Amino acid sequence: AQKITQTQPGMFVQEKEAVTLDCTYDTSDQSYGLFWYKQPSSGEMIFLIYQGSYDEQNATEGRYSLNFQKARKSANLVISASQLGDSAMYFCAIERSGGSNYKLTFGKGTLLTVNP
Amino acid sequence: DGGITQSPKYLFRKEGQNVTLSCEQNLNHDAMYWYRQDPGQGLRLIYYSQIVNDFQKGDIAEGYSVSREKKESFPLTVTSAQKNPTAFYLCATSSWGEAGNTIYFGEGSWLTVV
Repeated sequence: AQKITQTQPGMFVQEKEAVTLDCTYDTSDQSYGLFWYKQPSSGEMIFLIYQGSYDEQNATEGRYSLNFQKARKSANLVISASQLGDSAMYFCAIERSGGSNYKLTFGKGTLLTVNP
Repeated sequence: DGGITQSPKYLFRKEGQNVTLSCEQNLNHDAMYWYRQDPGQGLRLIYYSQIVNDFQKGDIAEGYSVSREKKESFPLTVTSAQKNPTAFYLCATSSWGEAGNTIYFGEGSWLTVV
C-alpha cells in the first residue's frame, strides 16, 4: 500500500518570500510518480508539478520546484516569490507507475496562506 | 472549450434518495475516476475506469455505482446505501504524457443530503 504524509496542516508566508511544503511518502514500489496539486477555495484541483522516481533532476515548473530526496522518501514543494493568489490547499500525491492500476493516493493537504 | 464538465455544481437531496452526478470529458482520455473529498481531508478514490464498459472499485466504493457506456461519460450514482453521502465529489481523467500519468480534475460537485 502507498501512503502520503503531509505534517503541516497550515502554513503562513509573506508575499514575495519562498515557502516549503513538506511531503513524505511510503511505498514498496520501485517505480512511482509524485505529484503536487493546488486546490483554491473554488474546489478545482490544479496540477502543479510531477517527479518520477527515476528522474535524476529535481522537477521545476516556473515558480514551483520539487525537492526530491529519494533515500529519505520526501518530495517537498518549494514555491518561490509567493503571491497572494497562491493561497490555497496543496496536496501531495503518489502514483504507481506502469502496470494497469493508474491510481493516485493523496495526503491530507496543507493550507497555505500568503499575507500581504 | 476542452475539459471536464461536472454537473450539477451543487445538489441537495433527501436522505434515502439515490442521486446521479454527471461527468463528461472531451479530452479523449481513456481513464476516468471519481474521488470523494470530506472537509479538511484529502481525496479518496471511489471508482475508476480505464476503458469503455469496464470499471474497478477504488478504496471507498460501498454505496456507490458507476457506468462507462461511452468514452466521454462516467456518471456516479450515490445510492441510499451510502451512509454519509454529504461531501465534495471530483471527477478526473488521465493520459500518459511527459508528466507520467497526469490526472486532470473537473470543478467538482457539492452534494448535501438532508
